Amino acid sequence: AQSVSQHNHHVILSEAASLELGCNYSYGGTVNLFWYVQYPGQHLQLLLKYFSGDPLVKGIKGFEAEFIKSKFSFNLRKPSVQWSDTAEYFCAVLNTNAGKSTFGDGTTLTVKP
Amino acid sequence: GAGVSQSPRYKVAKRGQDVALRCDPISGHVSLFWYQQALGQGPEFLTYFQNEAQLDKSGLPSDRFFAERPEGSVSTLKIQRTQQEDSAVYLCASSPFSRTGNSGANVLTFGAGSRLTVL
Repeated sequence: AQSVSQHNHHVILSEAASLELGCNYSYGGTVNLFWYVQYPGQHLQLLLKYFSGDPLVKGIKGFEAEFIKSKFSFNLRKPSVQWSDTAEYFCAVLNTNAGKSTFGDGTTLTVKP
Repeated sequence: GAGVSQSPRYKVAKRGQDVALRCDPISGHVSLFWYQQALGQGPEFLTYFQNEAQLDKSGLPSDRFFAERPEGSVSTLKIQRTQQEDSAVYLCASSPFSRTGNSGANVLTFGAGSRLTVL
């Protein structure tokens, strides 16, 4: 069975600080990787995705993530966070054979103005 | 519709009552997923449909949970004889994903969820 581990449960940063959220997964087959975000009072929505090709992917609002296959990792980064980035962030792995996504427990990011 | 619609948004049930949660996916989306999200945790997979076929129900916690999608569009998640541990947000998501499709169709679009509280 696949699993997803997010290392930080709650991160608190000041505006303009850099962000890195860790995500590791445990499946050796072909995967698609995602970061989803849930802003306060809103639905879960896609932040960025990796299917193949360039392991450095860019998403909305200046976020990026790097897929490192040898480390089974897909860490999320942003060079300078804003107050509006306050949200809960979920890493997810899709097992393309099984057709279903497995989610991590999420990281709550609080950005202080 | 423009997005995934779930109803009711909030449901309070007394222990032992049956509940039904509805999901109306994006029109044309082949795949439909149900997830359960407990407080402070990530979404946990319950079940998955491709059109009307239920391809995977391995995440349903007990035989009190039942899901259907009879015409390949709207889906209903039914919980019989609710227990307090069933209290959670039930998320529905849809995607164009097909096993024979391309990876670009694998993105999930989520609904707002149905928050179930069992007293």
